[in-house]
Amino acid sequence: DIQMTQSPSSLSASVGDRVTITCRASQGIRNDLGWYQQKPGKAPKRLIYAASSLQSGVPSRFSGSGSGTEFTLTISSLQPEDFATYYCLQHNSYPLFGQGTKLEIK
Amino acid sequence: QVQLVQSGAEVKKPGASVKVSCKVSGYTLTELSMHWVRQAPGKGLEWMGGFDPEDGETIYAQKFQGRVTMTEDTSTDTAYMELSSLRSEDTAVYYCATDYDDSGAFDIWGQGTMVTVSS
Repeated sequence: DIQMTQSPSSLSASVGDRVTITCRASQGIRNDLGWYQQKPGKAPKRLIYAASSLQSGVPSRFSGSGSGTEFTLTISSLQPEDFATYYCLQHNSYPLFGQGTKLEIK
Repeated sequence: QVQLVQSGAEVKKPGASVKVSCKVSGYTLTELSMHWVRQAPGKGLEWMGGFDPEDGETIYAQKFQGRVTMTEDTSTDTAYMELSSLRSEDTAVYYCATDYDDSGAFDIWGQGTMVTVSS
């Protein structure tokens, strides 16, 4: 079975900072990975699909990269509304989410 | 515009079953592969199962096999998830989600249904 390791589990940053979140797969998953943002009490919202394609309507400060086993989500300049929890999701085999990264205001 | 609208919150006793519904609007359920994801309070997202179009079958996460049943009523475009033998650890928000744009990742989500298991 594929395992996903997401890091860090939490992150403190300031408005304007550049942040990077990483997901590692235990075996190659091509580019079968998406990134999601979730705010308290809300359903997850997809930001990135196919590892690097930006979901329509999502600000361009969000970007994804990677293929195979290592993937990153980058927010180029944090805005107040970006403080949330982020998850990766691999769908190469049975869907599996990463453990989540809680992004908090420093 | 495709929307998934779920049934309301439920409170169940340990050992009981719960059935959550997810109605599709703006599209046809037969054209979608519906999945279910849950999230315990303060915890991460956990995939429970869903329809695999390659095999034409519903697949379940091993953790839930034998306890979960996912069905569809195509006449009303409504998907259902039934979880039996409930225990306190099943207290969670349950989401239906689908890959509407065929990208392979879930792009449309229901609003979530809170299921509380308590004696």
